[in-house]
Amino acid sequence: GAGVSQSPSNKVTEKGKDVELRCDPISGHTALYWYRQSLGQGLEFLIYFQGNSAPDKSGLPSDRFSAERTGGSVSTLTIQRTQQEDSAVYLCASSFSGGNQPQHFGDGTRLSIL
Amino acid sequence: GENVEQHPSTLSVQEGDSAVIKCTYSDSASNYFPWYKQELGKRPQLIIDIRSNVGEKKDQRIAVTLNKTAKHFSLHITETQPEDSAVYFCAASSETYKYIFGTGTRLKVLA
Repeated sequence: GAGVSQSPSNKVTEKGKDVELRCDPISGHTALYWYRQSLGQGLEFLIYFQGNSAPDKSGLPSDRFSAERTGGSVSTLTIQRTQQEDSAVYLCASSFSGGNQPQHFGDGTRLSIL
Repeated sequence: GENVEQHPSTLSVQEGDSAVIKCTYSDSASNYFPWYKQELGKRPQLIIDIRSNVGEKKDQRIAVTLNKTAKHFSLHITETQPEDSAVYFCAASSETYKYIFGTGTRLKVLA
């Protein structure tokens, strides 16, 4: 079956612009996660959606970052007024409900801020 | 807060030798421990996982062991091959909270 799908695969934009990154999770997965991975670094947690519960936003680095998950499926991560330090790969993962289930990752969006 | 420490940060082994990566977690409520392999430029992929009701799990050349008392778990790769070269991440979680990832181990298998 289809895996986690992310778009775009690459995004190059100028500093100060807003960007939207999209994640389409595996069908039936109620949990959705966003991570950020800078070059050669680990997985930095950003935000976690679980069903209809309030999202866990504890990893968002600043108020320029926000995310939505509409209809319990597709999620959009928005970065406003992008800065050069936002350059990274943004990974989305999904799983069945609960924190102790296998997470399946998408291929990520490589974001480059000029 | 919850924390997962992972060691070593880099590991070089000769082809055919074994590799061991160790992780220690802080929250005793953790009951699920996955391991991910990330090749250069690719997505992290789940390679093996273990739950707290077992002490060891094997899948061909890969095994994971768990010591709940000491709060640590390890990944063992036997008969390493060049294609095992990658970054490996451990994680710990429970029903009520998200994964806490380790910082990663860069494994190089030398031919």
